[in-house]
Formats: sequence, structure tokens, C-alpha cells
Amino acid sequence: DIQMTQSPSSLSASVGDRVTITCRASQSISSYLNWYQQKPGKAPKLLMNDASTLQSGVPSRFSGSVSGTDFTLTISSLQPEDFASYYCQQGYITPWTFGQGTKVEIK
Amino acid sequence: EVQLVQSGAEVKKPGESLKISCKGSGYTFTNYWIGWVRQMPGKGLEWMGFIYPGDSDTRYSPSFQGQVTISADKSISTAYLQWSSLEASDTAMYYCSRSTGYCTTGNCYSRDGMDVWGQGTTVIVSS
Repeated sequence: DIQMTQSPSSLSASVGDRVTITCRASQSISSYLNWYQQKPGKAPKLLMNDASTLQSGVPSRFSGSVSGTDFTLTISSLQPEDFASYYCQQGYITPWTFGQGTKVEIK
Repeated sequence: EVQLVQSGAEVKKPGESLKISCKGSGYTFTNYWIGWVRQMPGKGLEWMGFIYPGDSDTRYSPSFQGQVTISADKSISTAYLQWSSLEASDTAMYYCSRSTGYCTTGNCYSRDGMDVWGQGTTVIVSS
């Protein structure tokens, strides 16, 4: 199975901060990398697919990038509604696998 | 509106069987994979497998192969996840999700992600 190593596992940040979450794949997955946001008690929500394609309705403060097997989710200016958990997921080789998640908390 | 609606919460005893459901609406059910994702209490997301209702092609994660059965009834746009004998370790939230892509004999690829999710079904297994 492809391992997705996500870091950090948690972070504390303030409104307006720039936040970066990284996901490293254990082997090449091309750009078959998706990012999800999950708020407590809710289903995950697809933020971005194909490493950097924002879903309709997702604010432009979210962006994604890739360098080899390293993928990055960036929130340029953290807003109150962005406090949540974030997961990466590879769709390149079954079984599809998720990162372990990053919990973004209020500082 | 495109949506997936899951069946309600279940409380079961170890050894009992269970089948939970996920009904799609607002789109052509047979054109998308329906997958299942487990989230144990306080933990992350785990992909269990999916089914393509158009031809019933079903793929499982090795971690769940033989532990659960995924099926679908395209006549009523509903997918299912079932257990023949529950264990306490099956206690979790289970989500269904929709995705697209393509499969070869040994692998399935998806650039598009899981774009629609059900609201989740809580399964509690306790004696």
C-alpha cells in the first residue's frame, strides 16, 4: 500500500495566519492527490483534487502544490471557519489511502 | 441536488449481522463509484472499498477484504455495506462517498476525489 505521511498532526494558529500542511507519498502518485476538510461531527468535504484544482465554492485562500512526492496544502489567511481537520488522499493505486490528518486549532 | 443519504445509527451485539445503506439521488447512480470510508472514534479516515453500480465491479482494501461485503441495487440507486458477524472493533462512523475514474484489471485510478459524501452512519457494537 502507498503510505501517505502527513505533517504536522496538529497545529495552533491565529486568524489571519498563513498555514501549510504537507503530505508525502511513499512512492510516485503523479498528481492523484486530493485534500479534504472535516469539521467535528460532519462528513469530510472535498477541497481540492488533482493536487491543486479547487472545488467549486472553495475560497481562493486555499491552494495546493506538488514537488515530486511532496504535496502541500496552503491556507493563505486563516479564517474562523477554517478550524478543522484536513486529510490528504491518494487516488493513484488501490487501496486508496489517506494521510493521518492534521487538526488546525485556534491559538 | 446531488446527494447521498445513509441509513440511521445502529447499536448491535457482537456476532450479529448488519447491513447499512447509502441512497444516491440527483445524478446517474450507475455512472459513479460508491465507496465506503471508516472513521473509528477519534481517528482518521480509512478507505474500505467501492462498487461501480453500472456493472457491479467491486474492489476492496486488503484491510477489509473478507471482513465486509459491498453491494448495490441500481434499480433503487442504493449501495450497501454489510457484516455477517460484528465485532466490538467495528464500532465506528461509516461514510459513503461518490467518485469517478477508471479501472484496469489490477488497479483503479481517480484524479477527481470523493466529491459527494453521505452524512455518515454510526455503528456501535457492544455486549
